[in-house]
Order: sequence, then structure tokens, then C-alpha cells
Amino acid sequence: KAGVTQTPRYLIKTRGQQVTLSCSPISGHRSVSWYQQTPGQGLQFLFEYFSETQRNKGNFPGRFSGRQFSNSRSEMNVSTLELGDSALYLCASTRTGLTGELFFGEGSRLTVL
Amino acid sequence: GQNIDQPTEMTATEGAIVQINCTYQTSGFNGLFWYQQHAGEAPTFLSYNVLDGLEEKGRFSSFLSRSKGYSYLLLKELQMKDSASYLCASRDSNYQLIWGAGTKLIIKP
Repeated sequence: KAGVTQTPRYLIKTRGQQVTLSCSPISGHRSVSWYQQTPGQGLQFLFEYFSETQRNKGNFPGRFSGRQFSNSRSEMNVSTLELGDSALYLCASTRTGLTGELFFGEGSRLTVL
Repeated sequence: GQNIDQPTEMTATEGAIVQINCTYQTSGFNGLFWYQQHAGEAPTFLSYNVLDGLEEKGRFSSFLSRSKGYSYLLLKELQMKDSASYLCASRDSNYQLIWGAGTKLIIKP
């Protein structure tokens, strides 16, 4: 079966702009979670969606938002970009979110200039 | 608070054995996970421990001691393809994963 698909894979933005990233989970998976990965920081949890509802949220400012559609596809948006938002943004899906095995996408690498 | 610690980098020789340690402080601890991430690729699941003891999966084994807040990942018969980052993550009672910064493992011939 197809894996988790994230688009775009790479993007460059300037400070103050906004960006929308997309994630298509594995077919049948209803939980989608988002992570920010930066060198030396590990994965930082952004939020998790299950059946179109945000179930958990990490400690990120309100500039970071997300949503999930009825087909389980998810988007995350970052507004008013800052230099520190440069990172790899990873999406992961599971069937219910209550098991441990996350299936990750390849990520969207965002560079903010 | 919630915290995960693992070494930043380790070096080992092809064919040898290496142990990557992970210590955690997690409220409502609900399981410990190990993931492997090759450079430029997505993390992939390696193992899950919720009870004390050793779980073996081929060349890879993972150990958990809940009383000590400690886990390790043991890799045997190292191969060059094992060069990667190894991520430790603990799960809390809300089913949220708290991730370590990862251990970069370098395998030398």
C-alpha cells in the first residue's frame, strides 16, 4: 500500500510569509500527527488530528495551525514565518493514534530566509 | 517535567555490537519506542517496550527498566547500513510521544 505522502518536499519562503504543507496518510489511517525536526532538538510534537478533530496539541505558538479533512488528509499552516521556523516538518499516520507505530512521510523541508 | 536523554553521537566498527542508552522522565509512562532514521529519510519503527525486560528482533534488541527510567537499543553484527540516527521516544498517559534528540551512529569498516 502507498505510504504517507507529504507535499511539497522542499520550499523556500521569506520572513513574514505563510506556508501550507499537506499530508496524505496511509489508506485506512485516521490519525495524523505533525512534528517539527531541527538538528539537535529532536522531534517536537505540533498537533494530532483524528477524524477531523484536533486531539492533542504541542507547545507551539498560534501561528502554527492545522486541520484534517473527511478523507483523513491533513494540512498544517504556519503564518508570519520567522527564521527559526526553518526545519523539516514530518507528518505521521496511524490507524487510531493509540498504538505506537507511527508511519512517517519523507517530510517537507522549509527554509525561511 | 518530561525529559528524554540519549547520547548525541556514537561510533562503532562493522561486525561489532553497540548499545545506545536512553533515560527518560515521563508522567504517566505508557511505553518506550525506538525509531531509526537514515539521513534525508523518514523515521521508521524499530521496537516498542512497555514491560520490563528485553525484546529481541533479529540483530536488534531493546531493553526497558521502568523503575530506573532507562532503556537501551542493542545492535549486533553491525553493518554499514546501520549508520543512521536512532530516536528514543517515551509515551505518556495522553498517548503523546516525547522524543529524544537522537543518537547518530557512525559505523566504520
